[in-house]
Amino acid sequence: NAGVTQTPKFRILKIGQSMTLQCTQDMNHNYMYWYRQDPGMGLKLIYYSVGAGITDKGEVPNGYNVSRSTTEDFPLRLELAAPSQTSVYFCASSYGTGPRNSPLHFGNGTRLTVT
Amino acid sequence: AQTVTQSQPEMSVQEAETVTLSCTYDTSESNYYLFWYKQPPSRQMILVIRQEAYKQQNATENRFSVNFQKAAKSFSLKISDSQLGDTAMYFCAFYPGGSQGNLIFGKGTKLSVKP
Repeated sequence: NAGVTQTPKFRILKIGQSMTLQCTQDMNHNYMYWYRQDPGMGLKLIYYSVGAGITDKGEVPNGYNVSRSTTEDFPLRLELAAPSQTSVYFCASSYGTGPRNSPLHFGNGTRLTVT
Repeated sequence: AQTVTQSQPEMSVQEAETVTLSCTYDTSESNYYLFWYKQPPSRQMILVIRQEAYKQQNATENRFSVNFQKAAKSFSLKISDSQLGDTAMYFCAFYPGGSQGNLIFGKGTKLSVKP
């Protein structure tokens, strides 16, 4: 199994540009998450989804959008990129009722720089 | 709001020795879950160990064990017989029992295992 796959691995954006970070999982997990990790900090939840067609905001959703049209895919859209969005972005998935009884499976992250 | 504090930004240990990483948290919930995640240089996050707050027995996974002190809101990770492959960032994480998505992470402890 590939697990959780994120693309791209690295990206440099100019201020005001937009992009989509792709995330796909092949484990048939119903829960999917997007986190960002700033230098010297823990991960902060941006958005999550408990199943296809259902998304909800996390701790730091401003400047981002998500969609979940299929179980496998959970893309993260950045509109009008800002330097504050420079970070490493992690996608994760889990099954069942989420982290309480299922470990999160993480992708390898996307390092995004906005200049 | 729940918070997770890891007071040791960096630690080092000699190979084959034992090291303990500290974590404290703040919550008013009685039912919750605690985790330690490992992030090696490859960047991928890996679940190390999980503890349910209603269980008094400390969780163990091979060389990894926790000291869970619910009254003190403390959740430390002990790594026995440290190996070079244990070199990584270690994140303590908290999950409220009634939540659907938000796994709250500490800032992490960078552990270096020296030969």
